Amino acid sequence: GAVVSQHPSWVICKSGTSVKIECRSLDFQATTMFWYRQFPKQSLMLMATSNEGSKATYEQGVEKDKFLINHASLTLSTLTVTSAHPEDSSFYICSARESGAFTYEQYFGPGTRLTVT
Amino acid sequence: KQEVTQIPAALSVPEGENLVLNCSFTDSAIYNLQWFRQDPGKGLTSLLLIQSSQREQTSGRLNASLDKSSGRSTLYIAASQPGDSATYLCAVRGTSGTYKYIFGTGTRLKVLA
Repeated sequence: GAVVSQHPSWVICKSGTSVKIECRSLDFQATTMFWYRQFPKQSLMLMATSNEGSKATYEQGVEKDKFLINHASLTLSTLTVTSAHPEDSSFYICSARESGAFTYEQYFGPGTRLTVT
Repeated sequence: KQEVTQIPAALSVPEGENLVLNCSFTDSAIYNLQWFRQDPGKGLTSLLLIQSSQREQTSGRLNASLDKSSGRSTLYIAASQPGDSATYLCAVRGTSGTYKYIFGTGTRLKVLA
């Protein structure tokens, strides 16, 4: 089955630093990947849609200069949280849609827990 | 704007009970609806996906139904087990040409041994 991995699974960083989270589709190519954020005991909120070779599309209220998304290949998208602050502490989950697939199912990664101290 | 709501927010039941989780959405123009399970601190596990043209899907002890016209879906869990304890999320994908999902608020289920 289609597998999506994320790295790291958890990370602790100091306030003001930047941290990069990777999302990889391991056994399929993904033209489109999605980044979600989940605060404790809340549901997932879509942050942005990442398209290979083009700029990401951000949801309303998400700062594109703070959450940099790069989708440079068909198997890798990265989310960089710049100048992180404690309020950025959250669980970040990516999903990927297989390129050219007739099914519209998305495959979700295991998530990355970010803690900013 | 699509909004997805799940009721109840939390549920605690004794082992062996059959239970129903509810999901409602405000815009009936959906492409599909998916039910997920999320264990504490973990990612998502897809349980069932229902296309807009389908009425229900079944997998083992799980059965999900979809009534698109009324904006409702239910997840039925038969003979619940302690291992079913988790948060259950429903998510809908619209027909706007994008593939993004809008997630519900989730139901936290605890099955007592």
